Amino acid sequence: QVQNVQSGAEVKKPGASLRVSCEASGYELTSYAMHWVRQAPGERLEWMGCISGDDGNTKYSQKFQDRVIMTRDTSANTAYMELSSLRSEDTAVYYCARDRGYSSSWGFSAWFDPWGPGTLVTVS
Amino acid sequence: QSVLTQPPSASGTPGQRVTISCSGSSSNIGRKNVYWYQQLPGTAPKLLIYRSNERPSGVPDRFSGSKSGTSASLAISGLRSEDEADYFCVVWDDSLSGPVFGGGTKLSV
Repeated sequence: QVQNVQSGAEVKKPGASLRVSCEASGYELTSYAMHWVRQAPGERLEWMGCISGDDGNTKYSQKFQDRVIMTRDTSANTAYMELSSLRSEDTAVYYCARDRGYSSSWGFSAWFDPWGPGTLVTVS
Repeated sequence: QSVLTQPPSASGTPGQRVTISCSGSSSNIGRKNVYWYQQLPGTAPKLLIYRSNERPSGVPDRFSGSKSGTSASLAISGLRSEDEADYFCVVWDDSLSGPVFGGGTKLSV
């Protein structure tokens, strides 16, 4: 079935870098885009950015622009999110979510389906 | 502070109908489709409504969405205990060039 399979929980030291993977299962990543959204404990969801599956075009939230890099490996049908210079405030669950409304003509959308199960990242 | 405004909480008794609002602006709800998601405690969000008023297969017809001007609403009829969750709206914002999230509404049944 269509699902996103994310990498496991991580514990990182302040100043370190993080890489989370999101494997597209049951669909071709090249036909969609992938978004990354995080949720700190007790906080609202926060959009980090997205990457198109076909040409790798990225769009980042201004908040993370200097610290985040999103890539994809079409042969592995997997998207990646790297976040550098980690601090305690980056402790959160990181989700990937397929953009069902994406097209090369219209661009990205807010139609997220499905979401991955989330990856818990603890910075301490 | 969220670009989209939702009430922080809502409540109802089993069988009742509740409505959750989502207020935005001309750069988001005023020109783009609204998406609603349900997040049960400790789980990932799940798509509930797409393109403002369409339901994915598998979502009960007790859930419905609407949009008017720069506001949108999610209605849940025939409330059930399993509807207890956080509900949030998401819209693409042309000014910010990215999706914006509502703060979420915690529904108690």
